[in-house]
Amino acid sequence: DAKTTQPPSMDCAEGRAANLPCNHSTISGNEYVYWYRQIHSQGPQYIIHGLKNNETNEMASLIITEDRKSSTLILPHATLRDTAVYYCIVRLNTGFQKLVFGTGTRLLVSP
Amino acid sequence: NAGVTQTPKFQVLKTGQSMTLQCAQDMNHNSMYWYRQDPGMGLRLIYYSASEGTTDKGEVPNGYNVSRLNKREFSLRLESAAPSQTSVYFCASIHASSYEQYFGPGTRLTVT
Repeated sequence: DAKTTQPPSMDCAEGRAANLPCNHSTISGNEYVYWYRQIHSQGPQYIIHGLKNNETNEMASLIITEDRKSSTLILPHATLRDTAVYYCIVRLNTGFQKLVFGTGTRLLVSP
Repeated sequence: NAGVTQTPKFQVLKTGQSMTLQCAQDMNHNSMYWYRQDPGMGLRLIYYSASEGTTDKGEVPNGYNVSRLNKREFSLRLESAAPSQTSVYFCASIHASSYEQYFGPGTRLTVT
């Protein structure tokens, strides 16, 4: 699986958009980008995933650059409950794949 | 639909004691995983089971054994607990089509 690089921490004001970047310059053509988050002491929670097109769901939007070497997770209107560690992971979606977590980005949403 | 359940939620062991952490999922997922998370760190994969009847080592398997009892259950055993195994343990399973991974609430283990 390709390696990902994320900033260790970010701050965001409540109600503003939170844009979390992820670099995955060695991603291969058939690897997907997944985002999970972990709110304090809980199990990680799936947010969104994509291959090359931008994706949106009720939680977030995922923007993947055209060369696929980086992506951005967007929380459009961050709330205090979005304070968490956010993990960007790339993986194949064929057969069995281990999911390898890095250290993620700690997002702090403040009033 | 309970998702992924883990027991116990908390456990304190003395060095050298043994215990088994239980995990079950009711989503009919084929693949299951055990992770550990040390304070301030990301998750590290201990063992995984791609399907019923198979298990494989992850990044940090030493000191642990696993059993995939059936499709629903995947247990993690510490034969002789050590203080270095103090951690939060998460079990997870994965959806075969979307590849979304679902996590249990965790077991907080302290070894003194």
